[in-house]
Amino acid sequence: DTAVSQTPKYLVTQMGNDKSIKCEQNLGHDTMYWYKQDSKKFLKIMFSYNNKELIINETVPNRFSPKSPDKAHLNLHINSLELGDSAVYFCASSQGDRGRRVYGYTFGSGTRLTVV
Amino acid sequence: GESVGLHLPTLSVQEGDNSIINCAYSNSASDYFIWYKQESGKGPQFIIDIRSNMDKRQGQRVTVLLNKTVKHLSLQIAATQPGDSAVYFCAEKWEYGNKLVFGAGTILRVKS
Repeated sequence: DTAVSQTPKYLVTQMGNDKSIKCEQNLGHDTMYWYKQDSKKFLKIMFSYNNKELIINETVPNRFSPKSPDKAHLNLHINSLELGDSAVYFCASSQGDRGRRVYGYTFGSGTRLTVV
Repeated sequence: GESVGLHLPTLSVQEGDNSIINCAYSNSASDYFIWYKQESGKGPQFIIDIRSNMDKRQGQRVTVLLNKTVKHLSLQIAATQPGDSAVYFCAEKWEYGNKLVFGAGTILRVKS
């Protein structure tokens, strides 16, 4: 069983379209994340949800809207796609802080988004 | 700012040699650090972690060293194998929101 699974793995779409990426984790973690990896391999956090509550919202355009129906799912919807949105998007999950310990932090295999 | 930088973007080593990948972090308040390995077409995979109250931690063939004085982290891989070829990232955990901030990555190439 895949611990953190994302769909689709590849997504090619035209500028201006709206698309969604789905993520599910079966690790029982209570925190989920979206990271964006650009062409230079730089990984940057976009959003973090803890038990369906938005915790981190980095400087991301409003066209990006995360949705967490339950703590095992975190989807990413992108409106009016632009060329610069082309990247690999990674979902991750972890167990939230218990005191000063951090558990987990497992990544999915990524969704390669290409906007043409 | 929230930048974690790597000194060497590409490291080439001969199979069997030891590899050392370096990382500088910027947030002196970070209390937890992780090294990740990313193979082509895959997500980052956990290798080893270290807390700020330690300066060294060993795993299987890997050792992480932490120097808080100069905010430096290194990953040592013993007897490097072709399967170790990948991009390696260091990441630091910021207290707020369990947020991991990643460095720019180092490409490790192992020559047979």
